Amino acid sequence: KNEVEQSPQNLTAQEGEFITINCSYSVGISALHWLQQHPGGGIVSLFMLSSGKKKHGRLIATINIQEKHSSLHITASHPRDSAVYICAVTDTGTASKLTFGTGTRLQVTL
Amino acid sequence: KAGVTQTPRYLIKTRGQQVTLSCSPISGHRSVSWYQQTPGQGLQFLFEYFSETQRNKGNFPGRFSGRQFSNSRSEMNVSTLELGDSALYLCASSFGPYSNQPQHFGDGTRLSIL
Repeated sequence: KNEVEQSPQNLTAQEGEFITINCSYSVGISALHWLQQHPGGGIVSLFMLSSGKKKHGRLIATINIQEKHSSLHITASHPRDSAVYICAVTDTGTASKLTFGTGTRLQVTL
Repeated sequence: KAGVTQTPRYLIKTRGQQVTLSCSPISGHRSVSWYQQTPGQGLQFLFEYFSETQRNKGNFPGRFSGRQFSNSRSEMNVSTLELGDSALYLCASSFGPYSNQPQHFGDGTRLSIL
C-alpha cells in the first residue's frame, strides 16, 4: 500500500462543475502539499497545509489530521484547470523530502 | 524574482554514458531537492541538499549522485546510464531544510536514453 493514495485517478468535468479530489495518507506528517502539473512538465505548488482549510481564488484545500485525509476542491471549473493534481506529504523527521501520490488527471471540457 | 532554473531542458544520451544536470534555486533559498518522474513509478525523491550537505537520500543506486555549491546551485550526476533512467528530473528549492516550507519547482530536465 502506498503511503499516499489519491482518488480518482482520472476525472472529466464540464466547465462550471464543482470538482473534488481526495488524498489519504498513512504516515505521520508535518505538512501536506497540493501540486499542479501541466503537460509541459513544470510543477506549481498550490497549497501547503498542516491543519484546517486554505482558499486561493477558486481553489480550496482542506485537511483532517485525525482521519489522515485531505481534499482539493475547484469551484466553477474551467478548461484552463485541466492538469494533473498531485498530493504530497512531508513526514515528520525527514525535513523537506516529499512523498507523492500518483496524481489525478483532470480534463475540463466546454 | 527569478524562479528555479534547470538546465538543460532536454537531453538525449546513450546507454553507458554519464550526464550532469544543473539546478539554480530561487535567490536566497538554500535547500534543493531532486526528484525523478517516470510514467511507471511516478514522482520519487532522489536527494536533498542544504548548505552543501546531503541531508536525505532516496532509494536509488549509487550511480545517482549530487552536490551543492556554496551559492546553493546544485548538480546531479547519473553515471553508466540505463534505459530506465529516461525520465523527467525535477528540482525544487525552499528557504530552509524544514518540512513545513513550500517547495518551488523548476520546469525539469527531460532525459532520454537511447
